[in-house]
Amino acid sequence: AQKITQTQPGMFVQEKEAVTLDCTYDTSDQSYGLFWYKQPSSGEMIFLIYQGSYDEQNATEGRYSLNFQKARKSANLVISASQLGDSAMYFCAMREGRGLTGGGNKLTFGTGTQLKVEL
Amino acid sequence: EAQVTQNPRYLITVTGKKLTVTCSQNMNHEYMSWYRQDPGLGLRQIYYSMNVEVTDKGDVPEGYKVSRKEKRNFPLILESPSPNQTSLYFCASSLIAYSNQPQHFGDGTRLSIL
Repeated sequence: AQKITQTQPGMFVQEKEAVTLDCTYDTSDQSYGLFWYKQPSSGEMIFLIYQGSYDEQNATEGRYSLNFQKARKSANLVISASQLGDSAMYFCAMREGRGLTGGGNKLTFGTGTQLKVEL
Repeated sequence: EAQVTQNPRYLITVTGKKLTVTCSQNMNHEYMSWYRQDPGLGLRQIYYSMNVEVTDKGDVPEGYKVSRKEKRNFPLILESPSPNQTSLYFCASSLIAYSNQPQHFGDGTRLSIL
């Protein structure tokens, strides 16, 4: 069974500082995808960044980067130059890669990390 | 604008009164899915659909039904809602299954079953 672990229920960071949100995963699949989503207090789910299991380079999207360490099964999100608007819940999720059974494009989510950016 | 639209956004109702949460996407996506979000549990998949007339159970399907008669619509039906179905519900879609494309989420529907 796949599992996503986010061990930091809450994090604080000073504005303009960088912050790393941890995510470890457990899977026996060779092909899988890792996603990070942001959920502000308004509730919507916003896609941030994607990393495929076969991607050799770490994904980056603007101020977001994904520190992918395949051997350690970790996919940490790094936010550089934090802004007040980054305050939100952040979810790590994994997509199953197995055949035509087992949930299709199901995302298995972690329990999230609540990030608070302070002045 | 490309989007996934859920209705209603908020609903308070009583045990046993059938309800339907609608979901519509305008991106011609094949894959659609329903999730529920509960505190401390993240999001869990309820049902999914790989294409029209193809649906299957996710991790927590009990008490829910879905249908996919048209590509763009994927309603979630609670035939006899119970208080343990009080939750925040999300509909999501993506172009195809097993793609590296992200799932696009609706804005969520907050259901309270009294």
